[in-house]
Amino acid sequence: AQKVTQAQTEISVVEKEDVTLDCVYETRDTTYYLFWYKQPPSGELVFLIRRNSFDEQNEISGRYSWNFQKSTSSFNFTITASQVVDSAVYFCALSEDNNAGNMLTFGGGTRLMVKP
Amino acid sequence: EPEVTQTPSHQVTQMGQEVILRCVPISNHLYFYWYRQILGQKVEFLVSFYNNEISEKSEIFDDQFSVERPDGSNFTLKIRSTKLEDSAMYFCASSEDLGNNQPQHFGDGTRLSIL
Repeated sequence: AQKVTQAQTEISVVEKEDVTLDCVYETRDTTYYLFWYKQPPSGELVFLIRRNSFDEQNEISGRYSWNFQKSTSSFNFTITASQVVDSAVYFCALSEDNNAGNMLTFGGGTRLMVKP
Repeated sequence: EPEVTQTPSHQVTQMGQEVILRCVPISNHLYFYWYRQILGQKVEFLVSFYNNEISEKSEIFDDQFSVERPDGSNFTLKIRSTKLEDSAMYFCASSEDLGNNQPQHFGDGTRLSIL
């Protein structure tokens, strides 16, 4: 069974600080996909990134970067020089290749508060 | 950029009544999904739909729930006899491809309040 754990329920930082959101996953599949979504206070879910299990290369997109480590089953997300607009709940999610319906299993989310 | 649109944004319904939540997925997408998020909790999978049939459903998606694609654009979730615990935000999503678990793009959600 697949599972995603985001141990940090809430993080508070001051603007311009760097912050890392942790994500640990469990799966028996050798092929799987990992995602991060952002849920701002307005409530919508915004796709940020997708990673497949064969691609462990870290990715950077502007102030966002992702560190995928299969050895520790982690897919952590770092925001560099945080801004107030980064305040949101961030969800990590997992989808196994062998499930017919592409079901996403979400973690419990991390609420990030960036203070000015 | 194409979007998934959901209507209504907020639905208030008496317990025991039927409710239909509507979604218009992104036009070239082939997979459609419903998820729900009870206030303050994680997002939970309900059902996925492809080629006019259910691909997968969760334990939450019992006989009270049904989905339909009544025409070429709409994708609906029906709850036949609502319960208080059905109160949640319901998200529709769609994805493009058959394989490789392409990203699911979510609508803004419908907040369902059962009284």
